[in-house]
Amino acid sequence: EPEVTQTPSHQVTQMGQEVILRCVPISNHLYFYWYRQILGQKVEFLVSFYNNEISEKSEIFDDQFSVERPDGSNFTLKIRSTKLEDSAMYFCASSFPRKTLYFGPGTRLTVT
Amino acid sequence: GQQVMQIPQYQHVQEGEDFTTYCNSSTTLSNIQWYKQRPGGHPVFLIQLVKSGEVKKQKRLTFQFGEAKKNSSLHITATQTTDVGTYFCAGTEPSGTYKYIFGTGTRLKVLA
Repeated sequence: EPEVTQTPSHQVTQMGQEVILRCVPISNHLYFYWYRQILGQKVEFLVSFYNNEISEKSEIFDDQFSVERPDGSNFTLKIRSTKLEDSAMYFCASSFPRKTLYFGPGTRLTVT
Repeated sequence: GQQVMQIPQYQHVQEGEDFTTYCNSSTTLSNIQWYKQRPGGHPVFLIQLVKSGEVKKQKRLTFQFGEAKKNSSLHITATQTTDVGTYFCAGTEPSGTYKYIFGTGTRLKVLA
């Protein structure tokens, strides 16, 4: 069965550094998402991406965040200058419109 | 903005007991999905409900969507240790949005 993959599984970075989290969505899906989950808390929507542009974004997704689909298969989330409060599990997901969200295994980001 | 709350936050049950989690949205939903997240894992899709008053069953799991399409419930009959995890509802509004807002989650522990 097709699955969403994410790399790396764990990223440790220093405050103020840039990080790029990578995802390969399921190939024929149309919508791509980034969600994050701070340990033990709820799954928070960050951004959705459709037709090579941002479809919707949350208040969390400020100017420090950006997304890209550089080559038609990868989907990346960049955090320009990480803060301690960015430490979380970041999940990529893909879907058809209003259908099942298929989540990747996540990248655990630790900002020190 | 749209908020989705779940109760209870935690539930410990003896194996064989029933379990119910309730999901309430601040706004009317277009549809609702339920996900299960095992400890250390990622959310995995369980089911989607679309129609007002809809009831769906999957083996020991019964899902219900309220008449007003603002609330939903998940009931597990005769819990097993494999049911352990956090159950999230996730809804989307009818306004043309494709983002799913996740509920606060209910963490289920099953004692053998």
